[in-house]
Amino acid sequence: NAGVMQNPRHLVRRRGQEARLRCSPMKGHSHVYWYRQLPEEGLKFMVYLQKENIIDESGMPKERFSAEFPKEGPSILRIQQVVRGDSAAYFCASSTTGGVGAFFGQGTRLTVV
Amino acid sequence: RKEVEQDPGPFNVPEGATVAFNCTYSNSASQSFFWYRQDCRKEPKLLMSVYSSGNEDGRFTAQLNRASQYISLLIRDSKLSDSATYLCVVGHSGNTPLVFGKGTRLSVIA
Repeated sequence: NAGVMQNPRHLVRRRGQEARLRCSPMKGHSHVYWYRQLPEEGLKFMVYLQKENIIDESGMPKERFSAEFPKEGPSILRIQQVVRGDSAAYFCASSTTGGVGAFFGQGTRLTVV
Repeated sequence: RKEVEQDPGPFNVPEGATVAFNCTYSNSASQSFFWYRQDCRKEPKLLMSVYSSGNEDGRFTAQLNRASQYISLLIRDSKLSDSATYLCVVGHSGNTPLVFGKGTRLSVIA
């Protein structure tokens, strides 16, 4: 049973480009969370999704950021027109239901140059 | 007040020492509690769930005090490999996201 898979592990984008981060949850998990972490800082919640639904996006910036978790395929976190301040580690986690322990992927490290 | 608060540390302890971390949470409706461990530049990993009756896993003991709304983690006989950041995590019922504390950094020194 593979764990949570995120790709790419490292992503370099120039300012103004789009970044697409993918997350495949553990088998049998229908809940996905996205978190952002800046160096030397804690995890910051971004968005919580179930299949085909956004449950809580209170941590997502209002502009340029979007997330989806389609019926088939991985969850996608999309950042349009990236800026240097978007450089961070983006972690995805999955769980079977809400409120239970979640398992994390290895993260995608985004660098905007 | 932050929903989950932890002392950021660092806690610097010698090998073999016993160290304890506390965490407080503000939402009395919280229903699930966890400790995660995060190594530098790695993903957080679930260390253990925390139950009202307290639970132990080897050298690690976790306790929950609902009346005072705090959670603790005790590490006995510290090893160098225990050096990491320990994250306190709180969950609620229904479709709400897990809430992470900012973590407590532990350095075990030879």
